[in-house]
Amino acid sequence: SQTIHQWPATLVQPVGSPLSLECTVEGTSNPNLYWYRQAAGRGLQLLFYSVGIGQISSEVPQNLSASRPQDRQFILSSKKLLLSDSGFYLCAWSVRGVGGYTFGSGTRLTVV
Amino acid sequence: AQKITQTQPGMFVQEKEAVTLDCTYDTSDPSYGLFWYKQPSSGEMIFLIYQGSYDQQNATEGRYSLNFQKARKSANLVISASQLGDSAMYFCAMRAFSGGYNKLIFGAGTRLAVHP
Repeated sequence: SQTIHQWPATLVQPVGSPLSLECTVEGTSNPNLYWYRQAAGRGLQLLFYSVGIGQISSEVPQNLSASRPQDRQFILSSKKLLLSDSGFYLCAWSVRGVGGYTFGSGTRLTVV
Repeated sequence: AQKITQTQPGMFVQEKEAVTLDCTYDTSDPSYGLFWYKQPSSGEMIFLIYQGSYDQQNATEGRYSLNFQKARKSANLVISASQLGDSAMYFCAMRAFSGGYNKLIFGAGTRLAVHP
C-alpha cells in the first residue's frame, strides 16, 4: 500500500536560518508531488508541484524553493527563513491526472 | 478563474443531528473533481468523499454524502448523525487542470463544532 512520510513534525527555527523539510512516498512510482502551506486558521495554499525528477513548478513567488532529487522524494528548502514563513507545511502525492491527493502528517514550522 | 468558496467560517450542531457544510466552485473545465477533507486539531488531512463532474449520482460514504448540484456549481457536504469526533475543520477542494497539470485547489474551510 502507498504511504507518505513527512518530517520533522515540528520545528522552531530562528529568522535567517536555513530550512529543509523532507517528504518521501512509498508504494507508488512516478507520483505527482505537492507542497502546501497552511497559515493558522486558513486554507491550504499550493506552493510547489512536481511531475517528475528535477521538474518543479512554483505557484507563488516566495522565499522557499523545492527539489525532487529522486522519484519519490520531495524537499522544501529555504536559505534564510523569514517570520512570514511560519505555518503548517503539508506534502501530498497523487496518481497522475486521476484520483485525490494523499497528505503527509505535516510539519508545523515556527520562525522566531 | 478556478475557485472554491466556503462561506461558513464556523458551524455548530447538536450531537446526533445532521449538518450541511456549503461549498461552491467556479471552473470553466468540463471535467473536474470535487473533494471534501477533514482536518482535526492534529493537522492531518483526512479524505472523506469524492464527486466527479460526470457522476450522475451523488457520492455517499457512510455518514457522509455530497449534495452535488452541477447547474448551481455547488457541492455541499452532509454529515448525518453527528458525533463528537466530527468536530474539526472541513475543507472543500477541486481538482482543476491548470498550467498543464492537475492541481487541488482548496476553500478557506469551515470549522464544525459538535455539542453534546
